[in-house]
Amino acid sequence: DGGITQSPKYLFRKEGQNVTLSCEQNLNHDAMYWYRQDPGQGLRLIYYSQIVNDFQKGDIAEGYSVSREKKESFPLTVTSAQKNPTAFYLCASSLGQGYTDTQYFGPGTRLTVL
Amino acid sequence: AQKITQTQPGMFVQEKEAVTLDCTYDTSDPSYGLFWYKQPSSGEMIFLIYQGSYDQQNATEGRYSLNFQKARKSANLVISASQLGDSAMYFCAMRVHPRDSNYQLIWGAGTKLIIKP
Repeated sequence: DGGITQSPKYLFRKEGQNVTLSCEQNLNHDAMYWYRQDPGQGLRLIYYSQIVNDFQKGDIAEGYSVSREKKESFPLTVTSAQKNPTAFYLCASSLGQGYTDTQYFGPGTRLTVL
Repeated sequence: AQKITQTQPGMFVQEKEAVTLDCTYDTSDPSYGLFWYKQPSSGEMIFLIYQGSYDQQNATEGRYSLNFQKARKSANLVISASQLGDSAMYFCAMRVHPRDSNYQLIWGAGTKLIIKP
């Protein structure tokens, strides 16, 4: 079955630690995205990537980093510079970047800072 | 400015009744896509239905249909014969033809739908 997987489902981080969230897709999509969702809020774009080895900052990129070495994978690192990282993180992908391209989402990772 | 407005923060509906979730949008771009997503309590964002700005007919997907009124800039989601499993947050989103490097979806604030047995 084609889809998007994210791991882990739950992640706990101590203050000052970097953590990496995994996102893998087997839909053969070119574009991938990372969103952050806070309780009771909508989604905010962190980073997106249109093709391998290329990515762009979204609205709230500070304190986060990404890489896109393979088409299937788009990991997100939450660094210690991110002051309030506790949130729900969603990864998405789409075939292209046109206005008709639907974004499909993974199941999400819930990050809690202890 | 491009914007999505969902005016219903929450709704209670009796099981088996039809539901209409409101969504209005604002854009000056003639090329755009409108999307509806469902987010159950588990958190996953599930794509429901898509409507393109040039589509002549309203989109339908099973029990979901989109009431697209272009002149009113309205894209309401209609769920027929609601079920308990329809209880979730529902988000309306828009994507416009990219004129610059910003390719993101524009999201509404969402509507929390609760189906009563």
